[in-house]
Amino acid sequence: DQQVKQNSPSLSVQEGRISILNCDYTNSMFDYFLWYKKYPAEGPTFLISISSIKDKNEDGRFTVFLNKSAKHLSLHIVPSQPGDSAVYFCAARSTGGSQGNLIFGKGTKLSVKP
Amino acid sequence: DGGITQSPKYLFRKEGQNVTLSCEQNLNHDAMYWYRQDPGQGLRLIYYSQIVNDFQKGDIAEGYSVSREKKESFPLTVTSAQKNPTAFYLCASSIQRNYGYTFGSGTRLTVV
Repeated sequence: DQQVKQNSPSLSVQEGRISILNCDYTNSMFDYFLWYKKYPAEGPTFLISISSIKDKNEDGRFTVFLNKSAKHLSLHIVPSQPGDSAVYFCAARSTGGSQGNLIFGKGTKLSVKP
Repeated sequence: DGGITQSPKYLFRKEGQNVTLSCEQNLNHDAMYWYRQDPGQGLRLIYYSQIVNDFQKGDIAEGYSVSREKKESFPLTVTSAQKNPTAFYLCASSIQRNYGYTFGSGTRLTVV
């Protein structure tokens, strides 16, 4: 069973507009959430994270929102740039089980068109 | 500069052969991980190790083996028992109890 779901495999956005990437989770034991960005043939790089005690975290053009009651988080990129075109993975960490292991979604491929 | 290095970047293997993928980190991280990426499948955990001389199976460990004799090194062996080994393999490390991973640049394994 998928505990972290990214239901949109792809997203296309015009340069300068907002990109919104969504992620849903099922495990209420998750206490920390992260977003990673991945270019083809490279390893993922950390983008932004949020603790479950917060509902928003902002870093430059990137903002992550967490809605615990809905078990939903989203990544907003404003304004979107062509260099943002990549696959974005949502990840979550559980307080129980194998502590420290991250569980990843399947990713959303973002294309930002000039 | 600290980082995590995977080698080789591309690897070709004949069916029935074992092959070992290298992963080395100089970040002084305690935990290391191996993931596999397939199109449309995201990142799936193969094995992980929280400390030296100890490792645990992940979600898709069958056909793989690892060792953790040194803190810096976590090699992955893809054995002939792995039925579909062609994939992109990613190694990662993290500070124990930290919240994020540092990933290597990956190894593309192709069975020919």
